[in-house]
Amino acid sequence: KQEVTQIPAALSVPEGENLVLNCSFTDSAIYNLQWFRQDPGKGLTSLLLIQSSQREQTSGRLNASLDKSSGRSTLYIAASQPGDSATYLCAALHYGQNFVFGPGTRLSVLP
Amino acid sequence: EAQVTQNPRYLITVTGKKLTVTCSQNMNHEYMSWYRQDPGLGLRQIYYSMNVEVTDKGDVPEGYKVSRKEKRNFPLILESPSPNQTSLYFCASSLSPSAETQYFGPGTRLLVL
Repeated sequence: KQEVTQIPAALSVPEGENLVLNCSFTDSAIYNLQWFRQDPGKGLTSLLLIQSSQREQTSGRLNASLDKSSGRSTLYIAASQPGDSATYLCAALHYGQNFVFGPGTRLSVLP
Repeated sequence: EAQVTQNPRYLITVTGKKLTVTCSQNMNHEYMSWYRQDPGLGLRQIYYSMNVEVTDKGDVPEGYKVSRKEKRNFPLILESPSPNQTSLYFCASSLSPSAETQYFGPGTRLLVL
């Protein structure tokens, strides 16, 4: 059964720092790996989707990488801002078309 | 505006009283899904649907039912709610989950007394 974990569980950094969020999955039989952002009391917003055949995707200050063989994905946030404060979740889409989410990393960027 | 809507947004009910949470999308998406989110457990998939009349169980389907009679709607039914179904529920949709991301609804917060 697919298990997805995320490290760290919480992170607090000063504004302007570059940071890395980690996501690990146990079953490499995935179509893709997705990163989402969730603000308190709200739904999820998609950030990046990496297909299993890809190594990375970039959007603005965000860069996500995928190493399917080792079961890892990382989300890199450059020059963090207070507006980046949120919970970040990764999700693996299994071949059975079911999604498995990680527990999330709660990020706080201090002004 | 492209969106996924859920109703109600908040619901308090009592054990055993059947309820339905509606989900509707206006993007002509084929894939729809329900999740529950609990502190410390993250998001867990309840049911998903690849298309009309095609549904499948996710990781935590016990105590829930779904139906997909129309492409745009995917209601979640709790026939006999219990307190352990108190949670935050999200509906999501995608044109093709293997190629495109999911769009999430705003969530329904359910309290079962």
